[in-house]
Amino acid sequence: GDSVTQMEGPVTLSEEAFLTINCTYTATGYPSLFWYVQYPGEGLQLLLKATKADDKGSNKGFEATYRKETTSFHLEKGSVQVSDSAVYFCALSSNTGKLIFGQGTTLQVKP
Amino acid sequence: DAMVIQNPRYQVTQFGKPVTLSCSQTLNHNVMYWYQQKSSQAPKLLFHYYDKDFNNEADTPDNFQSRRPNTSFCFLDIRSPGLGDAAMYLCATSREVPGVNIQYFGAGTRLSVL
Repeated sequence: GDSVTQMEGPVTLSEEAFLTINCTYTATGYPSLFWYVQYPGEGLQLLLKATKADDKGSNKGFEATYRKETTSFHLEKGSVQVSDSAVYFCALSSNTGKLIFGQGTTLQVKP
Repeated sequence: DAMVIQNPRYQVTQFGKPVTLSCSQTLNHNVMYWYQQKSSQAPKLLFHYYDKDFNNEADTPDNFQSRRPNTSFCFLDIRSPGLGDAAMYLCATSREVPGVNIQYFGAGTRLSVL
C-alpha cells in the first residue's frame, strides 16, 4: 500500500542554519504531495503542496520539489528561525482520497 | 479567520462518561474527517463523511461514532471513554476534486480522561 517515510528527529539547529527534512514515498499512480506543520498544542497547517512531477511547492521560505524519479519530496529552508520550531509531517493523497502521513519530524531551532 | 473551528479546545471527561466534540466549517467543503492523534504520532483517520455518506475506517473502535447534521457541522461522540482515548482529536475538511485532496485542519480538541 501507499506509504510515506520521513527522516527521524528530533532535528536541532541553530538560528539561520540550513534545513533539510527528507521525505520519500511509495504510491501507485501519481499522488499529490504535501508538507504540513504542527505547532505545539495546535492542529495541522498546510505548509506547501505539489501535485505533479517536478512541481515545486513553496511558502514562508520553505520549498520542496516533487521528484518522481527518486520518489522524494524533501523539505528545505535556507535560514531557519526560532519560530519554525514545530513538528513537520510529509503526506501524500492516495488514490482513495485519503491522506497518508509520515511519522513526523520534530524541529527545534535554538537562538 | 478560522475556517475549521473545533470546540472546545480542551475537554476533560471521566472514565466511561459519554463526551461529544464538535467541528464546524465555513468553507462549504463536502468532505469532513475526524482524526485521533496521540503524542509524538501522526494523525490516525477515524472516519470521514463524503456529503452525508459515512465512511468508517476498519480499525476504528465501535466506541467512536459521528454525526453530520448538515454541511457545516460534524460531531464526534465517544460513548464510553477509556484512558486510552486521551488524545488530540482533529477535524479536517476538503473539497473533493479529482487528483487533488487538500485537507484543512482545525486547531484540535485535546481530550483528557480521568
